Amino acid sequence: DIQMTQSPSSLSASVGDRVSITCRASQSISRSLNWYQQTPGKAPRLLIFAASTLQSGVPSRFSGSGSGTDFTLTISSLQPEDFATYYCQQSYSTSKTFGQGTKVEIK
Amino acid sequence: QVQVVQSGAEVKKPGASVKVSCKTSGYNFPDYGISWVRQAPGQGLEWMGWISAYYGDTHYAQKLQGRVTLTTDTSTSTAYMELRSLRSDDTAVYYCVREGGDSTSYYFLYWGQGSLVTVSS
Repeated sequence: DIQMTQSPSSLSASVGDRVSITCRASQSISRSLNWYQQTPGKAPRLLIFAASTLQSGVPSRFSGSGSGTDFTLTISSLQPEDFATYYCQQSYSTSKTFGQGTKVEIK
Repeated sequence: QVQVVQSGAEVKKPGASVKVSCKTSGYNFPDYGISWVRQAPGQGLEWMGWISAYYGDTHYAQKLQGRVTLTTDTSTSTAYMELRSLRSDDTAVYYCVREGGDSTSYYFLYWGQGSLVTVSS
């Protein structure tokens, strides 16, 4: 199976900060990388698919980049509602593995 | 609009089986695959498996092979996940997810509300 490793596992930031989360695949996955946001008690929500395409309705402060094995999710100006856990997920192989998650907390 | 509605919480004893249902509406059921994802308390997301709602093909996570079975009923647009030989570490919220995308890009677009399965003696 393709392993997905996110970093950091958690971070503390303030409203208005620029935040970046990285995701590394154990082998090349082209651009088959999706990002999800999850708040406590809720199902995950798709933010970005195909590495950089913003899902409809997702604020433009979210962006994604990368290809091959290295990917980045960036939040340009952190808002109160963005404090959540973020997961990357590869859809390159039939076993669609997730990263371990990055928790974004309020500083 | 697309809706994905799962069955309710279950409590099972170790060694038992559980079957979770996932009723969909708002789209042509055979057009999209369904994945199942679980989340143990305080842990991350774990992909369990996928089923084609058109052909019925399945792919399972290696660690669950032999214990999990995914099925669909196209007449009711419902998907099912059965997990056997339950252990305490199977305690989790189980999500049914309808895919989005096409042959170039697949993603988990419509999530059910989750079904808590608790395994306890």
